[in-house]
Amino acid sequence: GAGVSQTPSNKVTEKGKYVELRCDPISGHTALYWYRQSLGQGPEFLIYFQGTGAADDSGLPNDRFFAVRPEGSVSTLKIQRTERGDSAVYLCASSLKGKTSGSSTDTQYFGPGTRLTVL
Amino acid sequence: EDQVTQSPEALRLQEGESSSLNCSYTVSGLRGLFWYRQDPGKGPEFLFTLYSAGEEKEKERLKATLTKKESFLHITAPKPEDSATYLCAVQFSGGYNKLIFGAGTRLAVHP
Repeated sequence: GAGVSQTPSNKVTEKGKYVELRCDPISGHTALYWYRQSLGQGPEFLIYFQGTGAADDSGLPNDRFFAVRPEGSVSTLKIQRTERGDSAVYLCASSLKGKTSGSSTDTQYFGPGTRLTVL
Repeated sequence: EDQVTQSPEALRLQEGESSSLNCSYTVSGLRGLFWYRQDPGKGPEFLFTLYSAGEEKEKERLKATLTKKESFLHITAPKPEDSATYLCAVQFSGGYNKLIFGAGTRLAVHP
């Protein structure tokens, strides 16, 4: 596709429920990232995939959060036993290579986000 | 602790009134500093990457500069369509590829 897509665009759920958020990266991008953005704040890193494997999951806040990318393309962020504090915009980004060397970096391109509201 | 601080939090300009946004960072081993623009209800849109002190990049009315401790986003003769939140992020050695973002500067340009 032309850009990163995320579904649903909005999700309202009740406290304690399970939710899944989906991300479709830019075609050909091997690296995929999840971030969370609260109102008035910058995005906060959650997890980074290189291919199918999670290379860095240091940002996941607790074991209620889990993400998969089984075929190295689409990724799903899963949140169990949702809490009101999980309410935020969940952003997905992808980049071409992920791995970089020396002083070079790899630009991350963001999707529109999923706004999660936990009542 | 690795940190990114942006100032001011909000900025109101008249159309044509030039100004600068600041991003200061404390990370060890900076690999890159990124500027993004974010419109309400949208994801961040990539603007620039800066790698080393002294580097400058330009795009239309925007120019980004980098020193060893901070970056500036200069806006020359802004227009109302430049109104958005501008986010600064850093990537550092040992941090894999994650970006650490500042809280952003909300820019409003009035005609």
